[in-house]
Amino acid sequence: AQSVTQLGSHVSVSEGALVLLRCNYSSSVPPYLFWYVQYPNQGLQLLLKYTSAATLVKGINGFEAEFKKSETSFHLTKPSAHMSDAAEYFCAVTQGSNFGNEKLTFGTGTRLTIIP
Amino acid sequence: DTAVSQTPKYLVTQMGNDKSIKCEQNLGHDTMYWYKQDSKKFLKIMFSYNNKELIINETVPNRFSPKSPDKAHLNLHINSLELGDSAVYFCASSHLTSAHLQYFGPGTRLTVL
Repeated sequence: AQSVTQLGSHVSVSEGALVLLRCNYSSSVPPYLFWYVQYPNQGLQLLLKYTSAATLVKGINGFEAEFKKSETSFHLTKPSAHMSDAAEYFCAVTQGSNFGNEKLTFGTGTRLTIIP
Repeated sequence: DTAVSQTPKYLVTQMGNDKSIKCEQNLGHDTMYWYKQDSKKFLKIMFSYNNKELIINETVPNRFSPKSPDKAHLNLHINSLELGDSAVYFCASSHLTSAHLQYFGPGTRLTVL
């Protein structure tokens, strides 16, 4: 079984400040981890992914995340928030078995608000 | 050049009706999925198909019936709609061998009155 927990359903940061969105995972096998972003009334867009290569993963729009096995965490960060970052962010986990039966298990999401 | 498209984008209907949502992908993927996002934004997989064959079927009422006429299309038919079916439904696709890397459609917001 696998799961992710996103701490904080709402996060507000000032424009230009550090963005930190927290995600902790639980998985019985080495996980593949993902961050998706959902802008209002739009579908999910992949921000970045960890698939057992480098533990520090860089994504689009200046976001990055670090896989920490000892802490079972995969927190998302961005050094300087921009107004356009306001969206819902989802952490997700899967096993990466390549058998086609992967289930992406999503967290409950974190709404990021940027304060001008 | 939309990668994963869904129609309609919005669907408002009465309880008891039957409705369908269509999904098409032009990425050459062989695996497609349906997800449901509830009012609290919680996303959960419903079904996945590989080359027109069902490979994931979560605990979903049998009023929901996916249909895959070919590997580029996966439609979702819902019979006897209930209030609790109101949600946003997302289609996604991937390659079988990279099934962890899924591309999502824009979603269909279904409202049952």
